[in-house]
Amino acid sequence: SQTIHQWPATLVQPVGSPLSLECTVEGTSNPNLYWYRQAAGRGLQLLFYSVGIGQISSEVPQNLSASRPQDRQFILSSKKLLLSDSGFYLCAWRLTYEQYFGPGTRLTVT
Amino acid sequence: EDQVTQSPEALRLQEGESSSLNCSYTVSGLRGLFWYRQDPGKGPEFLFTLYSAGEEKEKERLKATLTKKESFLHITAPKPEDSATYLCAVQAGSQGNLIFGKGTKLSVKP
Repeated sequence: SQTIHQWPATLVQPVGSPLSLECTVEGTSNPNLYWYRQAAGRGLQLLFYSVGIGQISSEVPQNLSASRPQDRQFILSSKKLLLSDSGFYLCAWRLTYEQYFGPGTRLTVT
Repeated sequence: EDQVTQSPEALRLQEGESSSLNCSYTVSGLRGLFWYRQDPGKGPEFLFTLYSAGEEKEKERLKATLTKKESFLHITAPKPEDSATYLCAVQAGSQGNLIFGKGTKLSVKP
């Protein structure tokens, strides 16, 4: 069966510091991968998606970036965090139709 | 513009009191409608996929239905453990990306 991991689970970072969040999927090959941000009262916002290694599409302009160095690894990064980057970050994978989500990372920028 | 609206924003029920959650959508070329359950601090958990008007899916006390403009999630004789936020999403376009509503927060009191 497929499993999706995210780490860290929680993170507190000062404004201006860098960010790296990691997502890995087990038990499947060549999935579509997604990064979402969930802020209070705003619902799930799609940030990036990837259909293959090295292929990244961005949905919204921001100071975040994503990379997919391996088939089942998806990384979300930032060089300098803003207060507005705080939120709950979710990684998801899809093979056919449904998307399946990871446990999430709670990021607080102080 | 593709849009998903969920109502009500919050719903408080007594244990055993059946009710329905609504998800209305405007999308060109619906490819699927998805229901998720999200517990506090966790990633969304997939519940159902509906593809065409008239389709129904059931799981325990939950039943999802779909028309050409909206979907309902019916909850029959809910229990306190059904308390969660229920998210609706539609898939449109060739990329398969999901557009989420803001969710309905359900509280079931014993």
